Amino acid sequence: AQKITQTQPGMFVQEKEAVTLDCTYDTSDQSYGLFWYKQPSSGEMIFLIYQGSYDEQNATEGRYSLNFQKARKSANLVISASQLGDSAMYFCAMRAGTGRRALTFGSGTRLQVQP
Amino acid sequence: GAGVSQTPSNKVTEKGKYVELRCDPISGHTALYWYRQSLGQGPEFLIYFQGTGAADDSGLPNDRFFAVRPEGSVSTLKIQRTERGDSAVYLCASSLNRGAHEQYFGPGTRLTVT
Repeated sequence: AQKITQTQPGMFVQEKEAVTLDCTYDTSDQSYGLFWYKQPSSGEMIFLIYQGSYDEQNATEGRYSLNFQKARKSANLVISASQLGDSAMYFCAMRAGTGRRALTFGSGTRLQVQP
Repeated sequence: GAGVSQTPSNKVTEKGKYVELRCDPISGHTALYWYRQSLGQGPEFLIYFQGTGAADDSGLPNDRFFAVRPEGSVSTLKIQRTERGDSAVYLCASSLNRGAHEQYFGPGTRLTVT
C-alpha cells in the first residue's frame, strides 16, 4: 500500500521569502513517481512538479523545486520568492506499483502568503 | 486549448436518488481518471480508463458506483441509491496517454446528498 503524509496543516510565509512544504511517503515499490499539485480556492488541481524515483537530480520548474531524499522517503516542495498568488492548498501525491496509474494524495498543506 | 470540463458544477440530490456526473477530457487524451475529494482531505482515486476500458476500478467504494467511457472520450460516473456519505467533490482528470506523468484536472462536480 502507498501512503503520503503531510504534517503541516497550515503554513505562513512572507511575500518574496522561500518556503518548504513537507512530504513523506511510504511504498514498497522500487519504481514510483512523486508529484505536487496546487489547489486554489477555485478548486481546480494544478500540476506543479514531478520527480521519478530513479531521477538522480532534484526536479525544478521555475520557482518550484522538489527536494528529493530517497533514503528518508521525503519529497519536500520548495517555493522560492513567494507571491500572493501562491496562497492555496498544496498536495503531495505518489504513483507507485507496476502498471498503476492512480495517484495517492496526502491531506494537504494550506499556504498563506502575507504581504 | 480547452481543458477538462465537468458537468454539472453543482448537484444537489435526495438520499436514495440516482445521479450521473459527466467528464469531458482534453481532446486526444486517452487516459481518464475519476477522484473523489471530501472536505479537508486530498483526492481519493476511484477509477482509471485507458481508452474505452476501465483499466483500474479498485477505488470504487462499492457496487453503487459505476463509470463508463463508451467512445473513449466523454466519461460518466453513475451513483445509484445515493447516501449522505457520497457528498463530496468529484474530480475528473485526463492525461495524454498511459505513460504521461501529468494528469490535468477539471474543476470538479460538487455533489450534495440531502
